[in-house]
Amino acid sequence: DQQVKQNSPSLSVQEGRISILNCDYTNSMFDYFLWYKKYPAEGPTFLISISSIKDKNEDGRFTVFLNKSAKHLSLHIVPSQPGDSAVYFCAASEYGGSQGNLIFGKGTKLSVKP
Amino acid sequence: DSGVTQTPKHLITATGQRVTLRCSPRSGDLSVYWYQQSLDQGLQFLIQYYNGEERAKGNILERFSAQQFPDLHSELNLSSLELGDSALYFCASSVDHSHEQYFGPGTRLTVT
Repeated sequence: DQQVKQNSPSLSVQEGRISILNCDYTNSMFDYFLWYKKYPAEGPTFLISISSIKDKNEDGRFTVFLNKSAKHLSLHIVPSQPGDSAVYFCAASEYGGSQGNLIFGKGTKLSVKP
Repeated sequence: DSGVTQTPKHLITATGQRVTLRCSPRSGDLSVYWYQQSLDQGLQFLIQYYNGEERAKGNILERFSAQQFPDLHSELNLSSLELGDSALYFCASSVDHSHEQYFGPGTRLTVT
């Protein structure tokens, strides 16, 4: 059973517009969430994270929103750029637990068209 | 560049063989994690080491084992290889279990 789900395998957005990537989780013990970006033939690159005590975290063009009651988080990229085209993975862990391993969603492929 | 290094980049071997994948974490990071990415399963956690000790186990087969050495580098040993073991294997490191993880470039294993 998938504990972290990214229901959209792909998303296409025009350059300069907003990209919104969504992620749902089922495990209420998760309290730390991360987004990674991955280009082909490279390892995932950490983008931004949020702990469950917050509902929003911003870093430049990237903002992550967390809705704990809905067990939902989203990544907003504004404005989107062609270089943002990649696969985006949502991940979760039990921040306060003794194990820090990440549970990943299956990814959403973002294409930003010029 | 994440600061995590993995060798080799590519590995092609036959069924039944044994291979060793190597990972050097970022300077200062005590935790090392191994993940497997196959086409249909996405990124799956295999095992975590913290300062030389095994900390957590995920979906790791009994044919697979790992260790972390005193200099903190880690090795993942895969034995009795099967076609289904063909995948990308990523190593990640973090300061401790409560921080974001930084991934290496991966080792692509092809079992023929």
